[in-house]
Amino acid sequence: QVQLVQSGAEVKKPGASVKVSCKASGYNFAAYGITWVRQAPGQVLEWMGWINPSNDNTHYPQKFQGRVIMTTDTSTTTVYMELRSLRSDDTAVYYCARREGYDFGPEGDYWGQGTLVTVSS
Amino acid sequence: EIVLTQSPDTLSLSPGEGVTLSCRASQSVSSTYLAWYQQKPGLPPRLLIYGVSIRATGIPDRFSGSGSGTDFTLTISRLEPEDFAVYYCQQYGRSPRTFGQGTKVEMK
Repeated sequence: QVQLVQSGAEVKKPGASVKVSCKASGYNFAAYGITWVRQAPGQVLEWMGWINPSNDNTHYPQKFQGRVIMTTDTSTTTVYMELRSLRSDDTAVYYCARREGYDFGPEGDYWGQGTLVTVSS
Repeated sequence: EIVLTQSPDTLSLSPGEGVTLSCRASQSVSSTYLAWYQQKPGLPPRLLIYGVSIRATGIPDRFSGSGSGTDFTLTISRLEPEDFAVYYCQQYGRSPRTFGQGTKVEMK
């Protein structure tokens, strides 16, 4: 069965970086993209971009350009999301989700369990 | 970016009742790139509808979506106890993909 399993909770200081992993299993890893979405406590969902594991192409919205990097490791079918220069308002649960591997493809048929990242001095 | 505004913010209903949730976009949503998600506390969202009206795998037919342009709706024909949750719409036709602020459907 399809599974996305994320790494555990993190506590970081302002200015640091965090790297969250999302291990995929149960499907052809190269055939689908992975999207990252975050949700601050009690807040709405925020789309952070996506990566296509078949060619490592990425797309980040302007808000996160220069601060987020998404990478893949096809040998372990794992996707990574690194967020740099953390601020307190980056405190959120970060989710990975599977998506169709083409532009304008729908997303979210499978989700990771979420990773809480807390940014605090 | 496209701003999605959902209404109402909260609905108090009883099991068995029907409900229609609204999602209005600040600009026309390209083609049929509109999805709906359900989220329960402490869990990730669950995809219900994509392409405006296509039910995701395993989603019961009491859930239906419709709309075009800037106005979209999610209808639940008869609420089951497990349907009480927060519902989000999302447009994915223009970057950045954006979500509405959510409508909470709570039990009366």
